[in-house]
Amino acid sequence: QQQVKQSPQSLIVQKGGISIINCAYENTAFDYFPWYQQFPGKGPALLIAIRPDVSEKKEGRFTISFNKSAKQFSLHIMDSQPGDSATYFCAASIRGGSNYKLTFGKGTLLTVNP
Amino acid sequence: NAGVTQTPKFQVLKTGQSMTLQCAQDMNHNSMYWYRQDPGMGLRLIYYSASEGTTDKGEVPNGYNVSRLNKREFSLRLESAAPSQTSVYFCASSKDRPEAFFGQGTRLTVV
Repeated sequence: QQQVKQSPQSLIVQKGGISIINCAYENTAFDYFPWYQQFPGKGPALLIAIRPDVSEKKEGRFTISFNKSAKQFSLHIMDSQPGDSATYFCAASIRGGSNYKLTFGKGTLLTVNP
Repeated sequence: NAGVTQTPKFQVLKTGQSMTLQCAQDMNHNSMYWYRQDPGMGLRLIYYSASEGTTDKGEVPNGYNVSRLNKREFSLRLESAAPSQTSVYFCASSKDRPEAFFGQGTRLTVV
């Protein structure tokens, strides 16, 4: 079963607008929630991450909002720019010993029009 | 500092052929991972290695084998390639932290 559900599949935003991508998870054992950004032909790169003891984390124009009771988290991109056009993946992680396995959502293709 | 390096970047195989995808990291990371990425499916974990000498199955291990050659290198082998294994393969690594660093990927086509 899909443990991390991501929506929408694709998103088109005008330059300067707010992009919002949502994710929901099922396993309450997840203890780390990163977002990855992927440009065409490249590997995913860590963008921002949050732990469940925090409700919000902001880094520049990127903010994660986390709702533990609803088992949901979202990525907000403020003042979206054409250079933000990429595929975004939410993920969740459980620690097993010294190893962390990431479970990914299916991704959101963001297009920011100039 | 190269990070995570994957070879080859592109490969076309015929059904039934075998090949090994190579991955090396120079960040002294303990854990290494192989993911596959398919359109609309996100990234799915194939195998992972928590440390040198150990490997474990992920979500989609069938049809694959791995070797953790040393701390730096983690290879993925397809013994008898099938069209269903057409995908983009990513190697990643991490060091006792959940942040994973990904390579540039290997685009594999099986015809």
